[in-house]
Amino acid sequence: NAGVTQTPKFRVLKTGQSMTLLCAQDMNHEYMYWYRQDPGMGLRLIHYSVGEGTTAKGEVPDGYNVSRLKKQNFLLGLESAAPSQTSVYFCASSYYPGEGYEQYFGPGTRLTVT
Amino acid sequence: GDSVTQMEGPVTLSEEAFLTINCTYTATGYPSLFWYVQYPGEGLQLLLKATKADDKGSNKGFEATYRKETTSFHLEKGSVQVSDSAVYFCALPNNAGNMLTFGGGTRLMVKP
Repeated sequence: NAGVTQTPKFRVLKTGQSMTLLCAQDMNHEYMYWYRQDPGMGLRLIHYSVGEGTTAKGEVPDGYNVSRLKKQNFLLGLESAAPSQTSVYFCASSYYPGEGYEQYFGPGTRLTVT
Repeated sequence: GDSVTQMEGPVTLSEEAFLTINCTYTATGYPSLFWYVQYPGEGLQLLLKATKADDKGSNKGFEATYRKETTSFHLEKGSVQVSDSAVYFCALPNNAGNMLTFGGGTRLMVKP
């Protein structure tokens, strides 16, 4: 049971380049999330998904797109990277958003945009 | 909307010192409350939780009590260790329960 995995772990992009971050979970969770973590700002929700084939916007969705074609995978795309997207990106999943539910986090992807 | 406020860090303590990290929240109703911990270079993991008022969550020597009268969920540990050095996040779910709102995080550094 690997939990939540993310690829890649590190990436450097030039302004204007595109990339896709992959998140995979093997816990059969319905909900999946993408956060970004910036110094002094905690975690901010980018997009989330409540099930296969669904996506929704979070707090800071601009400049990102997501897809959930399979229940176990949640992809985060940057179509035209900007230096403001330099951050650490975390994926998370949870079984059910009821009271007391726990989110399980991946190890993160450190992205630098130059 | 729902929000979480944590004390700013870093908090620097000597080994075996007493730890308190303050967390207060604003929310509609009485949501579950969580403390997550992030060790260096890792993702967040759940440390403890409380699902209703007056509940006490505990794990690894850490405790937090859900106080609805003061809307607080302060994290405490009686004797910290170097291995407790990490960033601690207080969090609560929104009304729909489909996302978590996190505090800004508090970095704890424990010196031997």
